[in-house]
Amino acid sequence: DIQMTQSPSSLSVSVGDRVTITCQASQDISNYLNWYQQKPGKAPKLLIYDASNLETGVPSRFSGSGSGTDFTFTISSLQPEDIATYYCQHYENILYTFGQGTKLEI
Amino acid sequence: QVQLQESGPGLVKPSETLSVTCSVSGGSISSNYWSWIRQPPGKGLEWIGYINYSGDTKYNPSLKSRVTISVDTSKSKFSLKLSSVTAADTAVYYCARVPLLYCSGGSCQSYFDSWGQGILVTVSS
Repeated sequence: DIQMTQSPSSLSVSVGDRVTITCQASQDISNYLNWYQQKPGKAPKLLIYDASNLETGVPSRFSGSGSGTDFTFTISSLQPEDIATYYCQHYENILYTFGQGTKLEI
Repeated sequence: QVQLQESGPGLVKPSETLSVTCSVSGGSISSNYWSWIRQPPGKGLEWIGYINYSGDTKYNPSLKSRVTISVDTSKSKFSLKLSSVTAADTAVYYCARVPLLYCSGGSCQSYFDSWGQGILVTVSS
């Protein structure tokens, strides 16, 4: 099975910060990597698919990059409403795998 | 805009069967795949399984022996049954839509683009 290693597990942030989260796959997954945002008490929300494609309606301050085994998720200028936990996700061999999550804290 | 809504008992006794249902509105259940994902309190996300309109299912190997997912296209609903539950099955259970699923060049892609609000199911006597 492919393992997804996401880091950091938590991050202390301030409004206006540039925030970067990484996700590493245990083997080449091309660009098949997705990112979700989960606010407390809410369902996850798809932000980015295929490593860098922004889901419809998602603000442009969110971006993703990478291919192969190393991927990056970036918030260019953190807004208060971005405080949440972020997960990467991949699908392979009939198994969906999520990263461990990165919790942003003020 | 498709909407999903989970329903079912919020409390299940140990060793019994957990049953939750997802109602789909604003879109046809006879397209896409439909999935269940769970999240224990304070923990990460775990995929349980998926189904399509024709009843084709796939399950997480770690849960496969206890999971059954079914679909009722006439009611635009799909359901999850998890048998022999223990406290470790206490979680928020989400249903979600899988808009695509494909493999190319030795790797595969699939994701969840619409989610229900989730239902907390507690396993306790």
